[in-house]
Formats: sequence, structure tokens, C-alpha cells
Amino acid sequence: RKEVEQDPGPFNVPEGATVAFNCTYSNSASQSFFWYRQDCRKEPKLLMSVYSSGNEDGRFTAQLNRASQYISLLIRDSKLSDSATYLCVVNKGPPGGSYIPTFGRGTSLIVHP
Amino acid sequence: NAGVTQTPKFRILKIGQSMTLQCTQDMNHNYMYWYRQDPGMGLKLIYYSVGAGITDKGEVPNGYNVSRSTTEDFPLRLELAAPSQTYVYFCASSNHDREDGYTFGSGTRLTVV
Repeated sequence: RKEVEQDPGPFNVPEGATVAFNCTYSNSASQSFFWYRQDCRKEPKLLMSVYSSGNEDGRFTAQLNRASQYISLLIRDSKLSDSATYLCVVNKGPPGGSYIPTFGRGTSLIVHP
Repeated sequence: NAGVTQTPKFRILKIGQSMTLQCTQDMNHNYMYWYRQDPGMGLKLIYYSVGAGITDKGEVPNGYNVSRSTTEDFPLRLELAAPSQTYVYFCASSNHDREDGYTFGSGTRLTVV
């Protein structure tokens, strides 16, 4: 099993749709979780951190399920500008004292008119 | 506040040449990372550093070297460039608590011919 797995997509949705992405991780000791957005030929940028209780930022909702070892990202009322690749990031934590992030391969989202 | 700055943005190397990719951050982050990205293949960790004077190998270190003489700078050295090292290279940094995730530079697009 890969450390961090995402469905590569692409998810092709119309404007206004609700779309959800899942990301599974293999290391049960993982401590920090993030969703990043990457536009074509650009660097990844932090979209939101994922907290144990779940968190929301406008149209975006992130959730963490430690028992099943997955995180999710829900995008409501999709906009054309949401078209991008969404990367799941898991921070492994100790042992070793180093917190090394592992990135999923990303899920491609295409929002069309 | 410039964040993470990478230079150069683009470079074409001939097989066997060497070069240094520069990365500097002005956020006083302890942790710094070098990733390479192949389209559709996600980010792979080359080397990382948890502080000045400390570096360690990531998933794909062969053919690369790093140094961390200051908190701000984390250069990546390619010796004897090969076509298999044609990637986009991203440098990133994070603070000790990692609450704000990882900040990326804009990348160096390297082609080895």
C-alpha cells in the first residue's frame, strides 16, 4: 500500500456542482494533514489544514477519519477557478524526531461552464 | 516578505554538466526540503534539513547533494547531470510546529539534454 493515495481523476464537473476527494494514508502515527492546490506549471500552495474535528473555509470542507485513515476535501458550488490539481499531504511525525511530509500524486479537477 | 526564493527559474544542462539550484527563505523556518516533480507523478523528496548543519536523505537522493550552512539557504547540487534528472525542482520550508504547512518556492524547471 502506498503511503498516501489519491484518485488521480480527472474529476470533470459543471460549475455549481459539489465534488469530493478522498485521500488514504498508511501510517497510523501520522500527525498533520493538509490539502494543497497546484495550478498548472506552478508551485503547490496551501489550501487548508485538516483538523481532527473537521474544518471549513468558505466553500471548502476538510475532514479527517483516523480510524479509517483517510482525509477528505469537499468543494461546494464549484467555480471555474477551482480547476487545478489537489494534493493531499500527510506528515509522518516521529520516530526520528523529523516531521517529513509525504505528498499524494494529486487529484485533477476540471470545472466546466 | 519574499517567502521561499528559488533560482534559476529555468535551465538547460548538457549531459555531464553540474549546477547548483539555489533556495533561500526569509521566514526563519527550521525545516527545508527539496522535491522533484514529474507531471502526474507527484512530488518526491530528494533531501531535507531540520536545521543549519543538519541534512538527511529523502526518497530519491542519488545524483544530488545538499548543504545547510545557514538557516536561510539550502542549495541543491547536481553533479554529472543526466537526462533522468529532467524535472521541475521545488524547494520548501516549514516552521517547527508545522501548523502553517509547507511554503514552496516557484520552482526550477531543469532540462538535461
